[in-house]
Amino acid sequence: KQEVTQIPAALSVPEGENLVLNCSFTDSAIYNLQWFRQDPGKGLTSLLLIQSSQREQTSGRLNASLDKSSGRSTLYIAASQPGDSATYLCAVTQGAQKLVFGQGTRLTINP
Amino acid sequence: EPEVTQTPSHQVTQMGQEVILRCVPISNHLYFYWYRQILGQKVEFLVSFYNNEISEKSEIFDDQFSVERPDGSNFTLKIRSTKLEDSAMYFCASREDLYQETQYFGPGTRLLVL
Repeated sequence: KQEVTQIPAALSVPEGENLVLNCSFTDSAIYNLQWFRQDPGKGLTSLLLIQSSQREQTSGRLNASLDKSSGRSTLYIAASQPGDSATYLCAVTQGAQKLVFGQGTRLTINP
Repeated sequence: EPEVTQTPSHQVTQMGQEVILRCVPISNHLYFYWYRQILGQKVEFLVSFYNNEISEKSEIFDDQFSVERPDGSNFTLKIRSTKLEDSAMYFCASREDLYQETQYFGPGTRLLVL
């Protein structure tokens, strides 16, 4: 059974710092990996999707990498801003349909 | 920008009552999903739906749950006899087609069963 783990569970950094969020998964037979942002009491916003054949994807200040063989992904956020404060979830697509989620990293950027 | 919408945003019900959660997926999308998130826990897959039938469901999705696409725009999740443990945020998601892999999520319905 696929298990997705995210560390750390919470992270607090001063504004302007670069940071890395980690995600690991136990079964490398995935179709893709998505990173989402979740604001308190809100839905999930897709940030980046990396297909299983890709190594990384970039969108603005965000860069996500995927090492399928070792079951790891990282989300790099450059020059963090207070508006980046949210919970970040990673999820892998299993069986071409369902997403299996990690528990998230709660990120706080301090002005 | 097109988005997934869900109604109601909040619902409070008594244990044993039936509830219907409604979703309007993005208009040209073909794949539809329900997920739930119990407070403080991971988001969990419930069911996927394509071509008017369930394509995959989790062990959570037992006989008390059903899904329906009653018309060309709505996608509903029915819980027949709610239990206390059904209290959660329920998210609908949609995906354009087999080649566009991103799932787009709605804002969720917070269900509280008393």
